[in-house]
Amino acid sequence: AQSVAQPEDQVNVAEGNPLTVKCTYSVSGNPYLFWYVQYPNRGLQFLLKYITGDNLVKGSYGFEAEFNKSQTSFHLKKPSALVSDSALYFCAVRDIRGGGNKLTFGTGTQLKVEL
Amino acid sequence: DAEITQSPRHKITETGRQVTLACHQTWNHNNMFWYRQDLGHGLRLIHYSYGVQDTNKGEVSDGYSVSRSNTEDLPLTLESAASSQTSVYFCASSERGGTEAFFGQGTRLTVV
Repeated sequence: AQSVAQPEDQVNVAEGNPLTVKCTYSVSGNPYLFWYVQYPNRGLQFLLKYITGDNLVKGSYGFEAEFNKSQTSFHLKKPSALVSDSALYFCAVRDIRGGGNKLTFGTGTQLKVEL
Repeated sequence: DAEITQSPRHKITETGRQVTLACHQTWNHNNMFWYRQDLGHGLRLIHYSYGVQDTNKGEVSDGYSVSRSNTEDLPLTLESAASSQTSVYFCASSERGGTEAFFGQGTRLTVV
């Protein structure tokens, strides 16, 4: 079975500071990993994904994520946070071998960026 | 532009009633999914389909059903609505063998 853990319910960051939103995963095979963002009363928007190749993945709005196989982690990062980045962030995993096309999501991390 | 739409956006229904939530996508994606979003649980998979006439149960399928008669639509039916089914429901789609899924705007369902 595949699973995702987001250990922080909320992350608070000052605007201009770097941000990190943590994610760890568990799959039986090789993972496809994703980050999505949800703004209030909206659906989920795709941010970035890791399939294979370079462990550092760049995505939309200046976000990036680092895949670490030994630590089974896929943390979301941004060098300089903006107030407009405040939203709910979800990490998701797809088990290439055993999970078909289904995505399994974490419980989400609320990011709050303050002036 | 291709898109995925859900209707209605908001619905209030009474316990015991049958309710159907619509999901329509114009990407011609083979894969379609229904999730529910609840505080503390993130998104949990209800049902999914990999093509016409194909449906599968997800982790929280009890009390829900889906049917796939064409590529574009995957309606979700609550056979007899319960208060525990009060939630926000999201439909998503992805290409066959594809990676990321694309989500609709969600339906907020309240069962009273």
